[in-house]
Amino acid sequence: AQRVTQPEKLLSVFKGAPVELKCNYSYSGSPELFWYVQYSRQRLQLLLRHISRESIKGFTADLNKGETSFHLKKPFAQEEDSAMYYCALRTFGNEKLTFGTGTRLTIIP
Amino acid sequence: DVKVTQSSRYLVKRTGEKVFLECVQDMDHENMFWYRQDPGLGLRLIYFSYDVKMKEKGDIPEGYSVSREKKERFSLILESASTNQTSMYLCASTPGGGAGQPQHFGDGTRLSIL
Repeated sequence: AQRVTQPEKLLSVFKGAPVELKCNYSYSGSPELFWYVQYSRQRLQLLLRHISRESIKGFTADLNKGETSFHLKKPFAQEEDSAMYYCALRTFGNEKLTFGTGTRLTIIP
Repeated sequence: DVKVTQSSRYLVKRTGEKVFLECVQDMDHENMFWYRQDPGLGLRLIYFSYDVKMKEKGDIPEGYSVSREKKERFSLILESASTNQTSMYLCASTPGGGAGQPQHFGDGTRLSIL
Protein backbone atom coordinates (compact mmCIF):
# COMPACT_ATOMS: atom_id res chain seq x y z
CA ALA A 1 0.00 0.00 0.00
CA GLN A 2 1.12 3.53 -0.66
CA ARG A 3 2.23 5.88 2.08
CA VAL A 4 2.97 9.61 2.36
CA THR A 5 5.30 10.95 5.04
CA GLN A 6 5.62 14.56 6.15
CA PRO A 7 8.34 14.47 8.80
CA GLU A 8 7.72 17.93 10.25
CA LYS A 9 4.52 18.57 12.19
CA LEU A 10 5.50 22.18 12.84
CA LEU A 11 7.79 24.51 10.90
CA SER A 12 8.58 28.13 11.76
CA VAL A 13 10.36 30.36 9.28
CA PHE A 14 11.19 34.07 9.33
CA LYS A 15 9.56 36.31 6.77
CA GLY A 16 11.78 36.60 3.71
CA ALA A 17 13.62 33.35 4.43
CA PRO A 18 13.37 30.28 2.16
CA VAL A 19 10.77 27.65 2.93
CA GLU A 20 10.95 23.92 2.32
CA LEU A 21 8.23 21.52 3.41
CA LYS A 22 9.27 17.92 3.05
CA CYS A 23 7.18 15.12 1.57
CA ASN A 24 8.32 11.57 0.92
CA TYR A 25 6.23 8.76 -0.46
CA SER A 26 6.35 5.03 -0.90
CA TYR A 27 4.70 3.52 -3.94
CA SER A 28 6.07 1.07 -6.46
CA GLY A 29 4.32 2.56 -9.50
CA SER A 30 4.12 6.05 -10.98
CA PRO A 31 2.25 8.28 -8.57
CA GLU A 32 0.49 11.58 -8.99
CA LEU A 33 1.47 14.02 -6.24
CA PHE A 34 -0.37 17.05 -4.86
CA TRP A 35 0.05 19.75 -2.26
CA TYR A 36 -3.09 20.97 -0.53
CA VAL A 37 -3.23 23.99 1.79
CA GLN A 38 -5.65 25.07 4.50
CA TYR A 39 -5.49 28.69 5.64
CA SER A 40 -7.03 29.69 8.94
CA ARG A 41 -10.84 29.38 8.83
CA GLN A 42 -10.82 28.38 5.16
CA ARG A 43 -11.49 25.13 3.38
CA LEU A 44 -8.79 22.77 2.22
CA GLN A 45 -7.77 23.67 -1.32
CA LEU A 46 -5.38 22.49 -3.98
CA LEU A 47 -2.11 24.41 -4.06
CA LEU A 48 -0.32 22.58 -6.86
CA ARG A 49 0.19 19.20 -8.51
CA HIS A 50 3.27 17.75 -10.08
CA ILE A 51 1.78 17.14 -13.53
CA SER A 52 1.12 20.86 -13.95
CA ARG A 53 4.74 21.83 -13.28
CA GLU A 54 3.62 25.35 -12.38
CA SER A 55 4.35 27.84 -9.63
CA ILE A 56 1.44 28.89 -7.44
CA LYS A 57 1.82 31.80 -4.97
CA GLY A 58 5.58 31.48 -5.47
CA PHE A 59 5.62 27.80 -4.43
CA THR A 60 7.11 25.04 -6.56
CA ALA A 61 7.48 21.31 -6.06
CA ASP A 62 9.44 18.83 -8.13
CA LEU A 63 8.79 15.13 -8.17
CA ASN A 64 12.05 13.27 -7.52
CA LYS A 65 11.39 9.62 -8.31
CA GLY A 66 14.90 8.56 -7.28
CA GLU A 67 14.44 9.96 -3.78
CA THR A 68 10.65 9.40 -3.79
CA SER A 69 10.14 12.98 -2.69
CA PHE A 70 7.91 15.92 -3.58
CA HIS A 71 9.19 18.76 -1.42
CA LEU A 72 7.40 22.12 -1.50
CA LYS A 73 9.64 25.15 -1.80
CA LYS A 74 9.41 28.93 -1.82
CA PRO A 75 12.44 31.21 -1.98
CA PHE A 76 11.06 34.05 0.18
CA ALA A 77 8.39 33.36 2.79
CA GLN A 78 5.49 35.76 3.27
CA GLU A 79 3.26 36.11 6.33
CA GLU A 80 0.22 34.99 4.34
CA ASP A 81 1.92 31.63 3.77
CA SER A 82 1.13 30.61 7.35
CA ALA A 83 -1.19 27.63 7.02
CA MET A 84 -1.51 23.87 7.25
CA TYR A 85 0.02 22.02 4.31
CA TYR A 86 -0.78 18.46 3.25
CA CYS A 87 1.04 16.35 0.71
CA ALA A 88 -1.15 13.77 -1.07
CA LEU A 89 -0.65 10.91 -3.50
CA ARG A 90 -2.93 9.30 -6.06
CA THR A 91 -2.14 6.08 -7.87
CA PHE A 92 -2.84 5.63 -11.55
CA GLY A 93 -6.51 5.10 -12.40
CA ASN A 94 -7.57 5.61 -8.80
CA GLU A 95 -9.70 8.51 -7.60
CA LYS A 96 -8.71 8.15 -3.95
CA LEU A 97 -6.01 10.24 -2.32
CA THR A 98 -3.59 9.20 0.40
CA PHE A 99 -2.66 12.16 2.58
CA GLY A 100 0.33 12.83 4.78
CA THR A 101 -0.11 13.95 8.37
CA GLY A 102 0.42 17.60 7.49
CA THR A 103 2.87 20.37 8.39
CA ARG A 104 1.78 23.56 10.10
CA LEU A 105 3.86 26.40 8.70
CA THR A 106 4.20 29.59 10.71
CA ILE A 107 5.89 32.63 9.22
CA ILE A 108 7.48 34.84 11.86
CA PRO A 109 7.24 38.57 11.02
CA ASP B 1 -16.70 27.32 -9.37
CA VAL B 2 -17.41 24.02 -7.63
CA LYS B 3 -19.42 24.29 -4.47
CA VAL B 4 -19.31 21.54 -1.87
CA THR B 5 -21.65 22.31 1.00
CA GLN B 6 -21.72 20.57 4.34
CA SER B 7 -24.95 21.11 6.23
CA SER B 8 -23.45 21.97 9.63
CA ARG B 9 -20.24 23.72 10.66
CA TYR B 10 -20.56 22.61 14.28
CA LEU B 11 -22.50 19.73 15.78
CA VAL B 12 -22.75 18.43 19.33
CA LYS B 13 -24.27 15.02 19.99
CA ARG B 14 -24.41 12.50 22.80
CA THR B 15 -22.86 9.06 23.03
CA GLY B 16 -25.08 6.42 21.47
CA GLU B 17 -27.00 8.82 19.22
CA LYS B 18 -27.38 8.19 15.52
CA VAL B 19 -25.73 11.11 13.71
CA PHE B 20 -26.14 12.22 10.11
CA LEU B 21 -23.65 14.46 8.33
CA GLU B 22 -24.81 15.78 4.98
CA CYS B 23 -22.80 16.90 1.97
CA VAL B 24 -24.07 18.35 -1.31
CA GLN B 25 -22.14 19.29 -4.45
CA ASP B 26 -23.50 21.33 -7.30
CA MET B 27 -21.26 20.30 -10.22
CA ASP B 28 -22.65 16.89 -11.16
CA HIS B 29 -19.51 15.19 -9.87
CA GLU B 30 -19.44 11.40 -9.95
CA ASN B 31 -17.12 10.85 -7.00
CA MET B 32 -17.66 11.92 -3.42
CA PHE B 33 -15.56 11.30 -0.33
CA TRP B 34 -15.77 11.54 3.45
CA TYR B 35 -12.63 12.12 5.51
CA ARG B 36 -11.91 12.81 9.12
CA GLN B 37 -9.18 15.28 9.98
CA ASP B 38 -7.33 14.89 13.28
CA PRO B 39 -4.22 16.72 14.52
CA GLY B 40 -1.11 14.66 13.91
CA LEU B 41 -3.02 12.12 11.83
CA GLY B 42 -3.86 14.20 8.77
CA LEU B 43 -6.83 13.28 6.61
CA ARG B 44 -8.04 9.71 6.66
CA LEU B 45 -10.58 8.38 4.19
CA ILE B 46 -13.72 6.92 5.74
CA TYR B 47 -15.83 6.11 2.67
CA PHE B 48 -15.87 6.85 -1.02
CA SER B 49 -18.71 6.78 -3.57
CA TYR B 50 -18.14 6.62 -7.32
CA ASP B 51 -21.78 6.63 -8.38
CA VAL B 52 -25.29 6.71 -7.01
CA LYS B 53 -25.87 3.82 -4.60
CA MET B 54 -22.22 2.74 -5.03
CA LYS B 55 -19.78 2.93 -2.16
CA GLU B 56 -16.37 1.71 -1.18
CA LYS B 57 -14.73 1.51 2.23
CA GLY B 58 -11.80 3.75 2.92
CA ASP B 59 -9.09 3.31 5.51
CA ILE B 60 -11.22 3.76 8.65
CA PRO B 61 -14.84 2.71 7.94
CA GLU B 62 -15.53 1.11 11.33
CA GLY B 63 -18.43 2.75 13.13
CA TYR B 64 -19.59 4.61 10.02
CA SER B 65 -21.91 4.01 7.09
CA VAL B 66 -22.83 6.13 4.07
CA SER B 67 -25.74 6.76 1.77
CA ARG B 68 -25.82 8.12 -1.76
CA GLU B 69 -29.37 8.07 -3.09
CA LYS B 70 -28.86 11.07 -5.39
CA LYS B 71 -25.78 12.07 -7.31
CA GLU B 72 -25.39 15.42 -5.60
CA ARG B 73 -25.76 14.22 -2.00
CA PHE B 74 -23.51 12.00 0.09
CA SER B 75 -24.41 11.34 3.72
CA LEU B 76 -22.16 10.03 6.46
CA ILE B 77 -23.90 8.15 9.26
CA LEU B 78 -22.58 7.38 12.72
CA GLU B 79 -24.77 4.49 13.75
CA SER B 80 -24.07 4.85 17.48
CA ALA B 81 -21.83 7.80 18.19
CA SER B 82 -18.86 7.35 20.50
CA THR B 83 -16.48 9.88 22.02
CA ASN B 84 -13.60 8.71 19.80
CA GLN B 85 -15.59 9.95 16.81
CA THR B 86 -15.18 13.54 17.96
CA SER B 87 -13.37 15.08 15.01
CA MET B 88 -13.47 17.40 12.02
CA TYR B 89 -15.24 15.75 9.08
CA LEU B 90 -14.51 16.84 5.52
CA CYS B 91 -16.48 16.05 2.39
CA ALA B 92 -14.92 16.25 -1.08
CA SER B 93 -15.86 15.56 -4.68
CA THR B 94 -14.25 15.03 -8.08
CA PRO B 95 -15.72 14.81 -11.58
CA GLY B 96 -14.47 11.28 -12.25
CA GLY B 97 -13.51 9.92 -15.65
CA GLY B 98 -9.77 9.64 -15.09
CA ALA B 99 -6.80 11.00 -13.29
CA GLY B 100 -5.71 14.59 -13.01
CA GLN B 101 -8.79 16.08 -11.35
CA PRO B 102 -8.21 17.63 -7.92
CA GLN B 103 -10.60 17.06 -5.07
CA HIS B 104 -12.87 19.94 -4.05
CA PHE B 105 -13.55 20.19 -0.32
CA GLY B 106 -16.35 21.53 1.83
CA ASP B 107 -15.83 23.75 4.87
CA GLY B 108 -15.99 20.81 7.24
CA THR B 109 -18.21 19.80 10.15
CA ARG B 110 -16.67 19.89 13.62
CA LEU B 111 -18.46 17.12 15.50
CA SER B 112 -18.27 16.75 19.27
CA ILE B 113 -19.61 13.63 20.94
CA LEU B 114 -20.28 14.10 24.65
